[in-house]
Amino acid sequence: DGGITQSPKYLFRKEGQNVTLSCEQNLNHDAMYWYRQDPGQGLRLIYYSQIVNDFQKGDIAEGYSVSREKKESFPLTVTSAQKNPTAFYLCATSGQGNSPLHFGNGTRLTVT
Amino acid sequence: GNSVTQMEGPVTLSEEAFLTINCTYTATGYPSLFWYVQYPGEGLQLLLKATKADDKGSNKGFEATYRKETTSFHLEKGSVQVSDSAVYFCALSDSGLYGGATNKLIFGTGTLLAVQP
Repeated sequence: DGGITQSPKYLFRKEGQNVTLSCEQNLNHDAMYWYRQDPGQGLRLIYYSQIVNDFQKGDIAEGYSVSREKKESFPLTVTSAQKNPTAFYLCATSGQGNSPLHFGNGTRLTVT
Repeated sequence: GNSVTQMEGPVTLSEEAFLTINCTYTATGYPSLFWYVQYPGEGLQLLLKATKADDKGSNKGFEATYRKETTSFHLEKGSVQVSDSAVYFCALSDSGLYGGATNKLIFGTGTLLAVQP
């Protein structure tokens, strides 16, 4: 059953701690993306990767880091430098050309 | 830069009512346009898309037509159901002036639709 798995669904952390969100896909898609969703603001692009071992900053990359060591995996680390980390984080993938994005079910991160 | 503007919600309708959610865009080049739907606690699912002017995307009774002259991509459905209650996002592909292969999407802020029985 092909798809995108984001884990965990809910994540709680104390302020000042780094936290890593997992995203795994078995769709054999080359491109992967991380979006952040906040109420009333839609989705904003954090980072994206079009190929293994390469990634690009999106519109709001500050305070985040990523890696793309394998085609199937694109973990996102929310660092202590991110000023407002509490949000819903969505991972997405896309195949060749102009094919549409496929989304995971998201991880809701709460930092207190 | 490129952007998407969609009507603010919430939109509250009775079952079987007609739905319109407005979406307009600003873009250079030749973007593709999309509507995504998000059910509570889930990620986004592609609802429909259109890749060039005058294309009509349709799925599950929803339709939207790519209007270049008015830079619009309004979502419509003739008769909504309670199960259509969700947040709807309009988006465009940030494909650049020459229609490059990137699939970066720019999203509107989303419109919450609540359908009452």
